[in-house]
Amino acid sequence: SQQGEEDPQALSIQEGENATMNCSYKTSINNLQWYRQNSGRGLVHLILIRSNEREKHSGRLRVTLDTSKKSSSLLITASRAADTASYFCATGPIQGAQKLVFGQGTRLTINP
Amino acid sequence: DAGITQSPRHKVTETGTPVTLRCHQTENHRYMYWYRQDPGHGLRLIHYSYGVKDTDKGEVSDGYSVSRSKTEDFLLTLESATSSQTSVYFCAISPHMDGNTIYFGEGSWLTVV
Repeated sequence: SQQGEEDPQALSIQEGENATMNCSYKTSINNLQWYRQNSGRGLVHLILIRSNEREKHSGRLRVTLDTSKKSSSLLITASRAADTASYFCATGPIQGAQKLVFGQGTRLTINP
Repeated sequence: DAGITQSPRHKVTETGTPVTLRCHQTENHRYMYWYRQDPGHGLRLIHYSYGVKDTDKGEVSDGYSVSRSKTEDFLLTLESATSSQTSVYFCAISPHMDGNTIYFGEGSWLTVV
């Protein structure tokens, strides 16, 4: 069963606008990660936020984590055409090996 | 890019034939994983390895076996391919267990006809 569920499934915005994607999960986690996948390519790690953190920044990316609501959001500011990709959240369990569980992803399209 | 090579990158095979996908890493990472990616399902873990000869099942392991005889190589075998195993297969590696980044290969596209 999928742990993380992204919302929306698809998002289309104009270049320069901000893009926000959400992820909800069901069980307690050790960490939550966001990955990007360009069409026909493998996934690339963007950012990791641990369960005791509430917000994290990396360049134009801002991730928040609300463990009480079991949800996370990824904000991409000042979007660029190169940001067009699918974005996946992945949750790391508290116990066990690094068995990340991925959501189905959000397909982001940046229109020039 | 992480040193991960998947082979073959594309393969078409017939139902009932055995298929082996290979993942080779040059990073000396301890953990290796096989995921499959399907529309509507995201990525699902098939098997993973936490060391040479140490493997365990993931979420969708039925119909798949794995082997890791060397740190750098992780093989995924479909003993008798079925059409439901048509998918994109991704190998991934990570150095540690506790909340570390996973690095993905470029994928292997498998079609079972």
